[in-house]
Amino acid sequence: DTGVSQDPRHKITKRGQNVTFRCDPISEHNRLYWYRQTLGQGPEFLTYFQNEAQLEKSRLLSDRFSAERPKGSFSTLEIQRTEQGDSAMYLCASSLGGPLFFEEETQYFGPGTRLLVL
Amino acid sequence: GDSVTQMEGPVTLSEEAFLTINCTYTATGYPSLFWYVQYPGEGLQLLLKATKADDKGSNKGFEATYRKETTSFHLEKGSVQVSDSAVYFCALAPYGGSQGNLIFGKGTKLSVKP
Repeated sequence: DTGVSQDPRHKITKRGQNVTFRCDPISEHNRLYWYRQTLGQGPEFLTYFQNEAQLEKSRLLSDRFSAERPKGSFSTLEIQRTEQGDSAMYLCASSLGGPLFFEEETQYFGPGTRLLVL
Repeated sequence: GDSVTQMEGPVTLSEEAFLTINCTYTATGYPSLFWYVQYPGEGLQLLLKATKADDKGSNKGFEATYRKETTSFHLEKGSVQVSDSAVYFCALAPYGGSQGNLIFGKGTKLSVKP
């Protein structure tokens, strides 16, 4: 078990540019989550996949944000036309969950990708 | 909607002092409750969890009891160490809600002095 990995760890970009982040979950985990964490705040949920299906998106996920998990393994989060307000830590988590929503599950987090938009 | 409120920090303690970090929640269902810890420069790590009322989660000397009557999940440790310095997040997973996405508090920064 190598844990959840994220790439890159840091990204500096200019306003208006597009950026893409990658997350590799723990290998047997079927669920994958993206969160955003700003300074001094707790993580906020963005979106969630079960296998390759994107099952939920937060209101925080504007049209400029898109996430994919094409083969039910790794996931990418793309931000188009970045804005300074997008500067944050983007966290990925994975878990092993069953089809019943009330099954208990534990989410394991990656180290995050810190984005700075200039 | 569901939410988590935890005590504001920073909290500064001397080594071997007793630690309490308060956490209360609002939820419409029967959530699972978690404490996560974030050490400097690292990602979030699960510290402990409890899935139903009166359950006690424990790990590394930390404990928290799921109290439904007071909607609380306070984190305690009898004797803190310098290595416990970190940011602690209380979180809940709503029951029957959003397929398990976590709702976090704002975090409490703990600094332990030698």
